[in-house]
Amino acid sequence: EADIYQTPRYLVIGTGKKITLECSQTMGHDKMYWYQQDPGMELHLIHYSYGVNSTEKGDLSSESTVSRIRTEHFPLTLESARPSHTSQYLCASSDNSGWADTQYFGPGTRLTVL
Amino acid sequence: AQSVTQLGSHVSVSEGALVLLRCNYSSSVPPYLFWYVQYPNQGLQLLLKYTSAATLVKGINGFEAEFKKSETSFHLTKPSAHMSDAAEYFCAVSGLGGYQKVTFGTGTKLQVIP
Repeated sequence: EADIYQTPRYLVIGTGKKITLECSQTMGHDKMYWYQQDPGMELHLIHYSYGVNSTEKGDLSSESTVSRIRTEHFPLTLESARPSHTSQYLCASSDNSGWADTQYFGPGTRLTVL
Repeated sequence: AQSVTQLGSHVSVSEGALVLLRCNYSSSVPPYLFWYVQYPNQGLQLLLKYTSAATLVKGINGFEAEFKKSETSFHLTKPSAHMSDAAEYFCAVSGLGGYQKVTFGTGTKLQVIP
């Protein structure tokens, strides 16, 4: 069973605040991802990582940043939250088979910026 | 370039009826195809994936999908719907090599009517 955790599950904050969304996995996966999910739209990849000290921006332009100092941990930070950042953020990791990796998703963080 | 199109953002079926969720893909390379399911307040979970081994793929919870290259389709079916199948279903495509970017569809919400 996949073990990938996200905290907090829900967050309501005011404009201009700095926030960090936490994501941890216990499967030893090298690849990790952050997606943004909005109703009726496809999942948009905003960041990914191949392993420790590796981070790349995804397809969707995002003002967030990520870090990968430990294999199991892939936090996402917004330096100054805005209402346009209101969304659901999903973290995922994938196994290292190299062929059609299965992605394992966390339960998501629903962010509301007032 | 790759993409998936899911026909129908909402599908309703009666309990015990056939479930058919449609997905068409576009890919410039031989694709890998996936179906993921998302239950309320949870992350996505892999249902099944096509990796070119067999065109008919069986997944969890009685679901299956058939890869049809001539129709560029990968429709998801289940012979008899159960109330617990109510969820959102996402089709996804990835190609060979490198990072293996995965592109998700916009999702289809399945409602099961008692």
